[in-house]
Amino acid sequence: DAKTTQPPSMDCAEGRAANLPCNHSTISGNEYVYWYRQIHSQGPQYIIHGLKNNETNEMASLIITEDRKSSTLILPHATLRDTAVYYCIVSSRRGAGNKLTFGGGTRVLVKP
Amino acid sequence: DTGVSQDPRHKITKRGQNVTFRCDPISEHNRLYWYRQTLGQGPEFLTYFQNEAQLEKSRLLSDRFSAERPKGSFSTLEIQRTEQGDSAMYLCASTDSEAFFGQGTRLTVV
Repeated sequence: DAKTTQPPSMDCAEGRAANLPCNHSTISGNEYVYWYRQIHSQGPQYIIHGLKNNETNEMASLIITEDRKSSTLILPHATLRDTAVYYCIVSSRRGAGNKLTFGGGTRVLVKP
Repeated sequence: DTGVSQDPRHKITKRGQNVTFRCDPISEHNRLYWYRQTLGQGPEFLTYFQNEAQLEKSRLLSDRFSAERPKGSFSTLEIQRTEQGDSAMYLCASTDSEAFFGQGTRLTVV
């Protein structure tokens, strides 16, 4: 699976949009971009995934660049409960299904 | 609660003892994964089951580790002769298209 690069940490203000970048320049054509988050002392939680089109669900939006070498997770109105480590993962759906290779993630602190 | 459940949530054991953790996946999910997470790091893949068959094992899974999934339902992860380096959070996940994780079992080896 392709490797991802994320900033180690970022702060954002409560009520504002949080934009989390991720670089995945070696992504291949059959690999999806997944985002998970992990709130302190809990298991990771699925947020969203996409292949090449932008995606939106009740939690977030995912913007993937046309060349698919980078993406941005957008939390539209950050709340204090969004404070977590956010992981961007690139994975194919072949082989071991959804075996996920986690990097260091971005530690997001939402401030009042 | 129909999510992934893990038991126990916390385990403290003395070095050299054996420990066993249990994972109950979401009932209709065929795939089950074990991960290990140490402080400040992301989870690392340990092993994977498709129904009762263990299809892949990471090199992280030493001979002291064994995992089973009898009847393709719940799974157990056993660590024999625990070492202090085994101290970590052990996470279980089951999947259909996305992975659903349990709350993990935090192991402390003293």
